[in-house]
Amino acid sequence: GAVVSQHPSWVICKSGTSVKIECRSLDFQATTMFWYRQFPKQSLMLMATSNEGSKATYEQGVEKDKFLINHASLTLSTLTVTSAHPEDSSFYICSASPGLAGQQFFGPGTRLTVL
Amino acid sequence: GQQVMQIPQYQHVQEGEDFTTYCNSSTTLSNIQWYKQRPGGHPVFLIQLVKSGEVKKQKRLTFQFGEAKKNSSLHITATQTTDVGTYFCARNTDKLIFGTGTRLQVFP
Repeated sequence: GAVVSQHPSWVICKSGTSVKIECRSLDFQATTMFWYRQFPKQSLMLMATSNEGSKATYEQGVEKDKFLINHASLTLSTLTVTSAHPEDSSFYICSASPGLAGQQFFGPGTRLTVL
Repeated sequence: GQQVMQIPQYQHVQEGEDFTTYCNSSTTLSNIQWYKQRPGGHPVFLIQLVKSGEVKKQKRLTFQFGEAKKNSSLHITATQTTDVGTYFCARNTDKLIFGTGTRLQVFP
């Protein structure tokens, strides 16, 4: 159990376009989902915490108007990178928590390349 | 936020040698989690430590939480090539803050 999926697994886009990444909890309801970004050979940096039915909480330095997060249901959260630029190229990973014991279950990640 | 530091940043070992990564925080931690991330993959939860001085084992992996709950360690006995990856500790409050990670390379 506790499977989290992400779609797409990779995406290449032109500079200035927007990209939507989906994160789904397949076999549990996730009251909270988290979005991370990981640059090559670096640690995971938390971008925002997404709570179902309410606005996301963004970490310091993360532009909420650039990284739009929607958590419309207990099994789906989406991250939209608006007007993507090459510096947004990164590995984006979501995680979901059923709210028990603080354990998070990670999706497989989405590798974004902006040309 | 208060990042958790890990040392070493990289470790290259010969297969069969032991490996240890250390996690240090300037503040007291309520608990600490450990994750493994294979190259190109996503973090996989290994364990959570909660109690001061706690020691837990998973086969060849031994996890310790310091008495002051400010540091933790992961020790792998007799490494295998399947142990290759980056090991992260993470402090957990209402969100996970990952440590800087230790990348392990095992040569056959």
